[in-house]
Amino acid sequence: QAQLVQSGAEVRKPGASVRISCTESGDTFTSDSFHWVRQAPGQGLEWMGVISPSGGSTTFAQKMQGRLTMTSDMSTRTVYMELSSLRFEDTAVYFCARNVRSMAWNWLDPWGQGTLVTVSS
Amino acid sequence: DIQVTQSPSSLSASVGERVTITCRASENINNFLNWYQQKPGKGPEVLIYAVLNRQDGVPSRFSGSGSGTEFTLTIISLQPEDLGTYYCQQSYSTPPTFGQGTKVEVK
Repeated sequence: QAQLVQSGAEVRKPGASVRISCTESGDTFTSDSFHWVRQAPGQGLEWMGVISPSGGSTTFAQKMQGRLTMTSDMSTRTVYMELSSLRFEDTAVYFCARNVRSMAWNWLDPWGQGTLVTVSS
Repeated sequence: DIQVTQSPSSLSASVGERVTITCRASENINNFLNWYQQKPGKGPEVLIYAVLNRQDGVPSRFSGSGSGTEFTLTIISLQPEDLGTYYCQQSYSTPPTFGQGTKVEVK
C-alpha cells in the first residue's frame, strides 16, 4: 500500500521561501498526480495545487499564483512544493496527497503526515 | 469556484447514537463528493468516495448518500474511535474544494 512521507518542520522569516518534499513508496508514481493542501492552525483544509509528475503539468489555486512552485523527481519518487514570499498567514501544516482515479471518480488517498511551516520574525 | 457548505460545525453525541453530517454544494457536482476523517494531529483519511463508496477497511457504520447538491454522511452507531473532524470535498471541478469541517466529540 502506498505511503507518502513528507520532510520535517520548518521555520522561516517573512519574505523567505520554503520547500517541502513528499516521497511516495509504491509503484504507481509515474501515473499518479499529487495535490498539496494546507491547514492553518485550528482551521479547515485549503487546496493549493496539483502536479502530474509524468508530464510535469501543474495547476495552482488562484490565490497562490506567482508564489507557488511544484516540481517532481521521478528517480526518487518525490514531489516538491515551494512557497515563496512567505507571510505570517502562511503558517500552517502542509499535506501532500495522491490523487486516486477510478472510472470517472477521483479522491485523495493516501495523505502525507503533514509538515508544519511556521513563519515568524 | 464551487462552494461547499458543511453542517453542523461541531456535534457531541453518545456512544451508539446515530450521527448525520450534511454537505451542500453551490451547484450540481454530479456525485463527485468525497468524505474524509481527520484525527487530531494526523492527516485526513478518505472514508467515502463518489457519494456512497466506502474505502477499503472503513467500518460499515459509515455510510454516504445524496445527489446533485446535497449529501450526507451518516455514522449509524457512533464509537469512541470516531472522534475527529470530518470534511466533505467536491472533486467535480478545479479547484477541488472542502467543506469547513464538522468536529465530532464522543460523550
